Amino acid sequence: EPEVTQTPSHQVTQMGQEVILRCVPISNHLYFYWYRQILGQKVEFLVSFYNNEISEKSEIFDDQFSVERPDGSNFTLKIRSTKLEDSAMYFCASNLPGMNIQYFGAGTRLSVL
Amino acid sequence: AQTVTQSQPEMSVQEAETVTLSCTYDTSESNYYLFWYKQPPSRQMILVIRQEAYKQQNATENRFSVNFQKAAKSFSLKISDSQLGDTAMYFCASLHGSGNTGKLIFGQGTTLQVKP
Repeated sequence: EPEVTQTPSHQVTQMGQEVILRCVPISNHLYFYWYRQILGQKVEFLVSFYNNEISEKSEIFDDQFSVERPDGSNFTLKIRSTKLEDSAMYFCASNLPGMNIQYFGAGTRLSVL
Repeated sequence: AQTVTQSQPEMSVQEAETVTLSCTYDTSESNYYLFWYKQPPSRQMILVIRQEAYKQQNATENRFSVNFQKAAKSFSLKISDSQLGDTAMYFCASLHGSGNTGKLIFGQGTTLQVKP
């Protein structure tokens, strides 16, 4: 069964460093999302992406964040200068046109030291 | 603003018993979708069941069923014949906006422990 793949599963970085979280959505999906879950808290929407542009973003998604679909298969989330409070689980999701079920990857745990 | 509330942080149930997880939501939209996702210790988010707000019939998926009360804005999940593999965090979520690109809004989650 097709699935959303995220790499790495765990990323450790120093505060102030740039990180790129990678996702490979299900191949025929066209809508892509990033969500964040700080340990012990609810899952929060960050951004949605369609047709090579951002459809919607939350107030969390400030200028330190960016998304890109560089090669037609990968979907990346970049955090330019990480802060301690960026430590969280980051989930990528995707869905088909006309279908509102979002399929999630297994997540990347980001630890900012 | 749309909100989703799960008022039960933790629940437990004996194996083979039935348990109901509660969820309430708030929205001003007439059409929306509701979901229950399961997050086992592996942290993967897995869709359990979906309900379309314009459908009056409650969704069912094998041992999982919902009680959707639109007027009360309530969307509870019933798990019948609980199994050890059902142990997980369960999130209620709503989807607003267009059907293709809407963002999911999640509740705080309920941790369910199934005991042998």
